[in-house]
Amino acid sequence: SYELTQPPSVSVSPGQTARITCSGDALPKQYAYWYQQKPGQAPVLVIYKDSERPSGIPERFSGSSSGTTVTLTISGVQAEDEADYYCQSADSSGTYIRVFGGGTKLTVL
Amino acid sequence: EVQLVESGGGLVKPGGSLRLSCAASGFTFSSYSMNWVRQAPGKGLEWVSSISSSSSYIYYADSVKGRFTISRDNAKNSLYLQMNSLRAEDTAVYYCARDPDCGGDCGYFDYWGQGTLVTVSS
Repeated sequence: SYELTQPPSVSVSPGQTARITCSGDALPKQYAYWYQQKPGQAPVLVIYKDSERPSGIPERFSGSSSGTTVTLTISGVQAEDEADYYCQSADSSGTYIRVFGGGTKLTVL
Repeated sequence: EVQLVESGGGLVKPGGSLRLSCAASGFTFSSYSMNWVRQAPGKGLEWVSSISSSSSYIYYADSVKGRFTISRDNAKNSLYLQMNSLRAEDTAVYYCARDPDCGGDCGYFDYWGQGTLVTVSS
């Protein structure tokens, strides 16, 4: 089955830049999406189609893609950005399977 | 304002059944594909099932295929998940999530409900 791989954790100090990666063989052919989930809350879409930002999402959130890896970048990290972040994409075999990465816990030191 | 409100979760014994509902408001429900996504306690997100706006296309994750049935009632602005032959590993918060309006298979979720907890235990 298709898998997306994320680091379990990333730690940064306030004001620094956090980068969270997501790797998957189908990513050169399928868009990636990123969700932020705070404890006890539902996920929130923060990036769609690799690098597009939904309305209401701060400009410090950005996304990029290179080969089999996509990256969520949070510039000038704030304490409120501490959360779990999940990448999501689709299987490229035409089976309509939607896949999530295992999630990355972002800790703001 | 888009709102998705799940209900129907609870405690059920292994092998039992449960029906989840998702009440939608704030948008034209009949125009959007809808989904169920679950999250086991302390674990990551797992896509469960999707249904197109007119119910013409339905998809399931392999882990639930043959046991779960997704459906919708556009007249009632509601999404459902009938869960049969439940197992301990089905224990999770179940979220209702909307596809965006992209004219086809968008492949992602732009709005989520707050979820309903399903616990499968004897």
